[in-house]
Amino acid sequence: GNSVTQMEGPVTLSEEAFLTINCTYTATGYPSLFWYVQYPGEGLQLLLKATKADDKGSNKGFEATYRKETTSFHLEKGSVQVSDSAVYFCALSDLGAGGTSYGKLTFGQGTILTVHP
Amino acid sequence: NAGVTQTPKFQVLKTGQSMTLQCAQDMNHNSMYWYRQDPGMGLRLIYYSASEGTTDKGEVPNGYNVSRLNKREFSLRLESAAPSQTSVYFCASSITRDLQETQYFGPGTRLLVL
Repeated sequence: GNSVTQMEGPVTLSEEAFLTINCTYTATGYPSLFWYVQYPGEGLQLLLKATKADDKGSNKGFEATYRKETTSFHLEKGSVQVSDSAVYFCALSDLGAGGTSYGKLTFGQGTILTVHP
Repeated sequence: NAGVTQTPKFQVLKTGQSMTLQCAQDMNHNSMYWYRQDPGMGLRLIYYSASEGTTDKGEVPNGYNVSRLNKREFSLRLESAAPSQTSVYFCASSITRDLQETQYFGPGTRLLVL
């Protein structure tokens, strides 16, 4: 079955530090990959996505590249801010061999990021 | 355009009580989902509805029922609440274009079962 594994947290950084949150996956078919962010007390928001191998998703200074050869989708940001403190979830949606979207997301366990001034 | 809305935001129940969590979306999405979020476990799918009139079990359906009332609304019911159902519940909706799908989440309902 499908699974998503994220690096264990929590991650604590100083402002302007470089961020990497690792994410690897296993899937049948042709998955799309996502990063969602959850700010304190709020629901999940889509941060970025990539739908095929070698695609790079980017948003708000965050980037992630879909690496099929290493089954990875690591999240990076060159200079974090205090406002980036949140929980980050890697997820996949498997289109399946027939090209039909199953419409179900498989999530990693989440990584808590805290950025100090 | 409110997106996905959920009510209530917070609820306390006693073991054995019942309640219904409400979810509505105004984006004309076909698919809707209910997840629960527990510490260290990410989100797990309870039930989903691929289209109006259809519902299917997800990863953790036991103890829950759902109703897709119309295209906009998808409710989750706990018939006899148990402490193990203490969690944060998220509703989501999605639309698929060109075989690509993105889910949009509501703000969540925090449920405490005593």
